[in-house]
Amino acid sequence: EAGVTQFPSHSVIEKGQTVTLRCDPISGHDNLYWYRRVMGKEIKFLLHFVKESKQDESGMPNNRFLAERTGGTYSTLKVQPAELEDSGVYFCASSQEPPWPGGTDTQYFGPGTRLTVL
Amino acid sequence: AQSVTQLGSHVSVSEGALVLLRCNYSSSVPPYLFWYVQYPNQGLQLLLKYTSAATLVKGINGFEAEFKKSETSFHLTKPSAHMSDAAEYFCAVGYGNKLVFGAGTILRVKS
Repeated sequence: EAGVTQFPSHSVIEKGQTVTLRCDPISGHDNLYWYRRVMGKEIKFLLHFVKESKQDESGMPNNRFLAERTGGTYSTLKVQPAELEDSGVYFCASSQEPPWPGGTDTQYFGPGTRLTVL
Repeated sequence: AQSVTQLGSHVSVSEGALVLLRCNYSSSVPPYLFWYVQYPNQGLQLLLKYTSAATLVKGINGFEAEFKKSETSFHLTKPSAHMSDAAEYFCAVGYGNKLVFGAGTILRVKS
């Protein structure tokens, strides 16, 4: 079974440009999550999809970030326009069931996309 | 609010020595706790998770962690380090529909 995949693995862009990150979750996983790790900091939650619906986007930094999940399959995270502080590693994760409350399903992570904004 | 503190951003051990990575959490509800590992150029991989079934949790690759409510700790241990254990380790607490992570500990194994 294929794991969570992310594309690209690395992206280097200039400040003010637009970048789109893609995540393909494990097949059959309704829950999809985006996290971000800024250099030297903790990995932080950005948002959670259940199928194609945004369940929780409380971690999104600002309105320059737009996440979509077309048809409840893959997801994209667009940053427009990118700023220097957006640099970091963006992780995607998926799970079959919501982990809490009640369930204890594991979130499976992809390898991440390293974004560098110059 | 939930939070996680990992003591020591870098830990160095000799091959064959005990590995101890420390994690303390803050949670207003009974916690679900996780340890993940990230090997170079790979994604986060689940090592083990605590979900209140047993306080001593065994994970993959010989790792285990003990949940101690009185100490609000969930330290990760392995009796004998192997070179292949060199990686970054993350402790996390489940909070609603999200994971709250510690800052990570980089484990170095010396030959």
